[in-house]
Amino acid sequence: GDSVTQMEGPVTLSEEAFLTINCTYTATGYPSLFWYVQYPGEGLQLLLKATKADDKGSNKGFEATYRKETTSFHLEKGSVQVSDSAVYFCALLGVSAKLIFGTGTRLQVFP
Amino acid sequence: EAQVTQNPRYLITVTGKKLTVTCSQNMNHEYMSWYRQDPGLGLRQIYYSMNVEVTDKGDVPEGYKVSRKEKRNFPLILESPSPNQTSLYFCASSYRDGGDTQYFGPGTRLTVL
Repeated sequence: GDSVTQMEGPVTLSEEAFLTINCTYTATGYPSLFWYVQYPGEGLQLLLKATKADDKGSNKGFEATYRKETTSFHLEKGSVQVSDSAVYFCALLGVSAKLIFGTGTRLQVFP
Repeated sequence: EAQVTQNPRYLITVTGKKLTVTCSQNMNHEYMSWYRQDPGLGLRQIYYSMNVEVTDKGDVPEGYKVSRKEKRNFPLILESPSPNQTSLYFCASSYRDGGDTQYFGPGTRLTVL
């Protein structure tokens, strides 16, 4: 069945460092792909999405490119801030229009 | 303000005592769903609803019930809670289906003793 695999965390960075969180997927066809973010004590929020191959989603300085050839959707940011500390979830839209989430990657950014 | 609300936010209960977690959205969304979040497992869908009176099982429906009598409300019912249902629960809604932007509630932390 459809699935999403994310790198294990936590990812610990200093402020202004470059961020990459890896995400790969297994799916039938060409699913839409998403990154959701969960700040401490809150529900998830959509960060960005891409609906077809080679699309790049971007928001708040974060980017991710839909790579069909490597079945990946890695999240990147050029310069992280302390306020980016959160848990990041990669997800895909599977069959029956259901969202399938990865296990989440915790990011900790220190001043 | 557009939002999804859940109540209660925290609940400690005992095995076998029926409970209901309420979920309400004010965005006129058709699609609503319940997830549980457990360490190392991410979010797993429990039940979802495409519209009023239309509900279907997600990936982990055992031990849960739902109903959708009104568009705005989607309560989660645990008829006989067990300790393995201790978890963090999220309700979410979207305009039409899972591919639309999901709006999540703040979560309900449930402990079953």
